[in-house]
Amino acid sequence: GENVEQHPSTLSVQEGDSAVIKCTYSDSASNYFPWYKQELGKRPQLIIDIRSNVGEKKDQRIAVTLNKTAKHFSLHITETQPEDSAVYFCASKTNTGNQFYFGTGTSLTVIP
Amino acid sequence: SAVISQKPSRDICQRGTSLTIQCQVDSQVTMMFWYRQQPGQSLTLIATANQGSEATYESGFVIDKFPISRPNLTFSTLTVSNMSPEDSSIYLCSVGQGDTEAFFGQGTRLTVV
Repeated sequence: GENVEQHPSTLSVQEGDSAVIKCTYSDSASNYFPWYKQELGKRPQLIIDIRSNVGEKKDQRIAVTLNKTAKHFSLHITETQPEDSAVYFCASKTNTGNQFYFGTGTSLTVIP
Repeated sequence: SAVISQKPSRDICQRGTSLTIQCQVDSQVTMMFWYRQQPGQSLTLIATANQGSEATYESGFVIDKFPISRPNLTFSTLTVSNMSPEDSSIYLCSVGQGDTEAFFGQGTRLTVV
């Protein structure tokens, strides 16, 4: 089955700096890669996603890149703000399966 | 996007008892899933709730311990049976529709004493 690895497990950045979280996957059939943000005590919520026919996607301060050959994808947050502090999960899904495979999470702290 | 109502939001239960968690979606969805999230950990899939047939359980989870119902396309329940302190966790339902993102319920924080 699919194996999604996520690094780093914790990340601290100064406000205004950039944060990068990386994930790798093992199943070449995976074609959908969402990123979720989970604030303390709340449900995971989608912040951005990318499909395998696209190499990069950007939404304001958030961007995701995908390298299909290397089987890795990354989340980039620029101009970080304290409200970006949360746990971020990457995930993958194949076009034939119904299950999402989640990474182990990255706890991001933005220091004011 | 789907709106998911999950209840209860939290509960404190005595060991040996059972708790049933409900998940209601505001629209018909193909897939419903149940996850467990232990403090500071990732999301572990317990099972896929199948409408009209038995749930599909992941390795390490069995029907006797986590019976699941899915009577229609908008509703599912997960029961945590014969609870022990090790079952203390957050339980989340999730829905998916085709090739789209997963939406999550707000979670049930279970404490077994």
